Amino acid sequence: DSGVTQTPKHLITATGQRVTLRCSPRSGDLSVYWYQQSLDQGLQFLIQYYNGEERAKGNILERFSAQQFPDLHSELNLSSLELGDSALYFCASGRGDYGYTFGSGTRLTVV
Amino acid sequence: GENVEQHPSTLSVQEGDSAVIKCTYSDSASNYFPWYKQELGKGPQLIIDIRSNVGEKKDQRIAVTLNKTAKHFSLHITETQPEDSAVYFCAATTNTGFQKLVFGTGTRLLVSP
Repeated sequence: DSGVTQTPKHLITATGQRVTLRCSPRSGDLSVYWYQQSLDQGLQFLIQYYNGEERAKGNILERFSAQQFPDLHSELNLSSLELGDSALYFCASGRGDYGYTFGSGTRLTVV
Repeated sequence: GENVEQHPSTLSVQEGDSAVIKCTYSDSASNYFPWYKQELGKGPQLIIDIRSNVGEKKDQRIAVTLNKTAKHFSLHITETQPEDSAVYFCAATTNTGFQKLVFGTGTRLLVSP
């Protein structure tokens, strides 16, 4: 157990739908990062939050959004889903000493 | 921004052999270089990291070397075992805390018994 909790582990939904992925960071970590990993692909950075505020944005689609709440958990919202959004979505958390701790991911399948 | 290239994409070795994975980075300001191991169905796990003030770091069968001048760093695994089979990612980031990691494209290592 890495200490970073992601729910749900698996999600199957239809095209056009909206889903919310949740991440609880490791205790004491203020920063949350979201990454997308498509089949046999690398880790694509989506967005970063630090203590509730957006810190950096990567290649995140306009259909996607995220937020970090006062208790530091984060949610990634994916809307108007397309088949190509099917992927593993990872959350990682960090506390400023550069190293990330990843969660076990949410596998999203869009049918 | 930072760009990290990783080679090879696939590496097959026999148990007991050594494996080397190489990465290059583009941003000379980067000074933290972690390596992650991702097993099937799991999230990436940090296995070793190196900061720019050292040239080499070892942890049992795993070592990482850094050449700042050439802007490349490598992961060395000695005496490979079947359980080393996984996808390995290198990454780089700059020295300003909480900066996002930029990952390489990954190397699939297969260790055959």
